[in-house]
Amino acid sequence: AAGVIQSPRHLIKEKRETATLKCYPIPRHDTVYWYQQGPGQDPQFLISFYEKMQSDKGSIPDRFSAQQFSDYHSELNMSSLELGDSALYFCASSYQVGPRYNEQFFGPGTRLTVL
Amino acid sequence: DAKTTQPTSMDCAEGRAANLPCNHSTISGNEYVYWYRQIHSQGPQYIIHGLKNNETNEMASLIITEDRKSSTLILPHATLRDTAVYYCIVHYGQNFVFGPGTRLSVLP
Repeated sequence: AAGVIQSPRHLIKEKRETATLKCYPIPRHDTVYWYQQGPGQDPQFLISFYEKMQSDKGSIPDRFSAQQFSDYHSELNMSSLELGDSALYFCASSYQVGPRYNEQFFGPGTRLTVL
Repeated sequence: DAKTTQPTSMDCAEGRAANLPCNHSTISGNEYVYWYRQIHSQGPQYIIHGLKNNETNEMASLIITEDRKSSTLILPHATLRDTAVYYCIVHYGQNFVFGPGTRLSVLP
């Protein structure tokens, strides 16, 4: 079965550079979520989109922005990168049957290293 | 903050049942209990979820107490590949809040 695709899988950037992470949800899924997982930490929710509109916002820094496109893929844009942004970034997708049902399927993640 | 409390770590012998408890005493009536696991640095993997009734699928069983204040995930025959961090998440609607989880080590 098709899964969530994330690209790139690994990314190395310098401080103050920008980075763009991409997420391709499972076909027919209409909701995308972004999570950040720092070294030794648990995943932390950043932001989500439902039908191309932002649906919820978590602990996403102002330096980060994201959007969901007409084909439902999503991009997380990160500017003025800091050493503390080094982390695994997971994208998840789901199909919103209703307000309650929300089984999320996670991608393999993008490992971002900021030097 | 996570609404759940789980043991930090557990060991289980290979081939035996692994029973992972979770306390969620402040759960509200419309919140589901979800279980995910994360095998080292991979994306979290969905295991099972439930609202009130016990649930079973090909991976595990979920036992929810009648008052819904706690639940237990059961892996009936643990294998070495089940070694992972297991997250119990109480959820309604939007994003998941991951707590520290339980690090399950399946021992040969």
